[in-house]
Amino acid sequence: DAGVTQSPTHLIKTRGQQVTLRCSPISGHKSVSWYQQVLGQGPQFIFQYYEKEERGRGNFPDRFSARQFPNYSSELNVNALLLGDSALYLCASSLSGPAFFGQGTRLTVV
Amino acid sequence: AQSVTQLGSHVSVSEGALVLLRCNYSSSVPPYLFWYVQYPNQGLQLLLKYTSAATLVKGINGFEAEFKKSETSFHLTKPSAHMSDAAEYFCAVTLVTGTASKLTFGTGTRLQVTL
Repeated sequence: DAGVTQSPTHLIKTRGQQVTLRCSPISGHKSVSWYQQVLGQGPQFIFQYYEKEERGRGNFPDRFSARQFPNYSSELNVNALLLGDSALYLCASSLSGPAFFGQGTRLTVV
Repeated sequence: AQSVTQLGSHVSVSEGALVLLRCNYSSSVPPYLFWYVQYPNQGLQLLLKYTSAATLVKGINGFEAEFKKSETSFHLTKPSAHMSDAAEYFCAVTLVTGTASKLTFGTGTRLQVTL
């Protein structure tokens, strides 16, 4: 079975631009969460979605938004990018147990 | 609110030596605790989890951790380190597993294994 897949794996954006990151959960997993991992730190919780509804939101500005689709895949959108948004963005999926993570999307803002 | 503290941002051991990575948690209710490993330029891989069953939890790659409520600790151990264990290790806590499982991570411990 495929694990959590994220796309793209890397991308470079300019300050002020917008970016969309995508995540496909493990088959059968209905919960998807997003985390931001800045270099040298632990992941920070951004959002959780379950059955297309937002179940949790971390301490991130409104420039960050997400959604979940009927097939349980998810997108994370970040508007008006700042240099500080440069990070590894991790997606995790779960069913009723622990979260399983994808390889992440490395976003660099220049 | 729950939190975890990982003591020691860097730990270096010789190959074959005991690995001990420390994690202390803070939670007002019984928590669920996890250890994840991250290899360079990769995502997080689940090593083991504590979900209120046995206090001694065995994970993959020979790792285990013991939940000690009296010490609010969940330290990760491995009897004999291997070169392939070199990675970043994260302890994480959540109050509810499954559909509302917001994980709170520690700052990580980088394990170096030397010959």
